[in-house]
Amino acid sequence: DIVMTQSPDSLAVSLGERATINCKSSQSVLYSSNNKNSLAWYQQKPGQPPKLLIYWASTRESGVPDRISGSGSGTDFTLTISSLQAEDVAVYYCQQYYSTPYTFGQGTKLEIK
Amino acid sequence: QITLKESGPTLVKPTQTLTLTCTFSGFSLSTSGVGVGWIRQPPGEALEWLALIFWDDDKRYSPSLKNRLTITKGTSKNQVVLTVTNMDPVDTATYYCAHRTSIGNLFDYWGQGTLVTVSP
Repeated sequence: DIVMTQSPDSLAVSLGERATINCKSSQSVLYSSNNKNSLAWYQQKPGQPPKLLIYWASTRESGVPDRISGSGSGTDFTLTISSLQAEDVAVYYCQQYYSTPYTFGQGTKLEIK
Repeated sequence: QITLKESGPTLVKPTQTLTLTCTFSGFSLSTSGVGVGWIRQPPGEALEWLALIFWDDDKRYSPSLKNRLTITKGTSKNQVVLTVTNMDPVDTATYYCAHRTSIGNLFDYWGQGTLVTVSP
């Protein structure tokens, strides 16, 4: 199984400041046939299902604000919120869809400082 | 628009079999590339992918639970059923069904989830 490890477990950032969440996979998730990384990011607010934010490590899902971005390749990935808004308070998960089982990270809880 | 909704018992006893139904609309599980997956989340814990069924009836299972899971298309063409045998208190979780995206085995539309508690 590919193990997904996120850091930090929790993060407190001031409104308007940058938030950075890291995700490391235990093996590369770079899909050679299209040279894309099979890595997604989700946002989950309390009492709600996860919401897909980013796929192929850096492609924003339709409707996701451009202050949210993804980067990275191979085994190391980052989700960045450039200017934290109150509505960004949530738990964020990365997921690899390179191979079964399609594993998730343990989650990073993002709060307002 | 695409919607999904999970249904099934909220309480099961240890050793019992859990049967959950996902009823969806806005897409067809007969269309090439389409899939429906199940993911669960114990209270306060992370997401765990369980199973995925594709338009062509191909199926994928989490190896850690494979012997206990069965995913099938329902008798109605807009349903997917997940069964989990030999339930244990550690299986207490919110169970979600979700629509597989067209580009890979990730999920772009999710149901609201159903909390299943395993208790004597």
